[in-house]
Amino acid sequence: GQSLEQPSEVTAVEGAIVQINCTYQTSGFYGLSWYQQHDGGAPTFLSYNALDGLEETGRFSSFLSRSDSYGYLLLQELQMKDSASYFCAVSYSNDYKLSFGAGTTVTVRA
Amino acid sequence: NAGVTQTPKFQVLKTGQSMTLQCAQDMNHEYMSWYRQDPGMGLRLIHYSVGAGITDQGEVPNGYNVSRSTTEDFPLRLLSAAPSQTSVYFCASRSDSTYEAFFGQGTRLTVV
Repeated sequence: GQSLEQPSEVTAVEGAIVQINCTYQTSGFYGLSWYQQHDGGAPTFLSYNALDGLEETGRFSSFLSRSDSYGYLLLQELQMKDSASYFCAVSYSNDYKLSFGAGTTVTVRA
Repeated sequence: NAGVTQTPKFQVLKTGQSMTLQCAQDMNHEYMSWYRQDPGMGLRLIHYSVGAGITDQGEVPNGYNVSRSTTEDFPLRLLSAAPSQTSVYFCASRSDSTYEAFFGQGTRLTVV
């Protein structure tokens, strides 16, 4: 499969800001998605970027730089409920074949 | 609105047994996929379908078969279970007008 790299763990306090980076292979890149997964649960969609720039959805934002083969998910005003795993996923064509990173476990401390 | 429904939620199989994991969606989505999730490895694509009657292999298809006779259903068959197939299996669906994938709650499979 295609290789994506993201940090394995991040710990932060409530109210803080966390940035999760994701780098991917450029060849055939189409778009970058982010998913959240609470322990034992189903992944849920957070965002999608196909063009360079920042997409904001409430406390979460996602950024893409196609020239750098890099994106990030920004979690602001962290809350305890944000403790979860976050996965970046790349589409290498306009179909449904998603390649997922190994995930970043975010732990929010009081 | 049920979304994506997977059954069973838990299953224990003996090596060599076969079984079918069920997946159904009620959103009239064209695209459906099966993933497996192992610790520290994220989700890996097993098989996918872009519509009824059309299926294709993903990253880790060996040992699994799929069919898509209707838009709603996308069952995953394990032909002869092996301990290496112990995993959590997720089914997902997506409309062709959005990039948001909807996942089922997963099937936790143990092969002994």
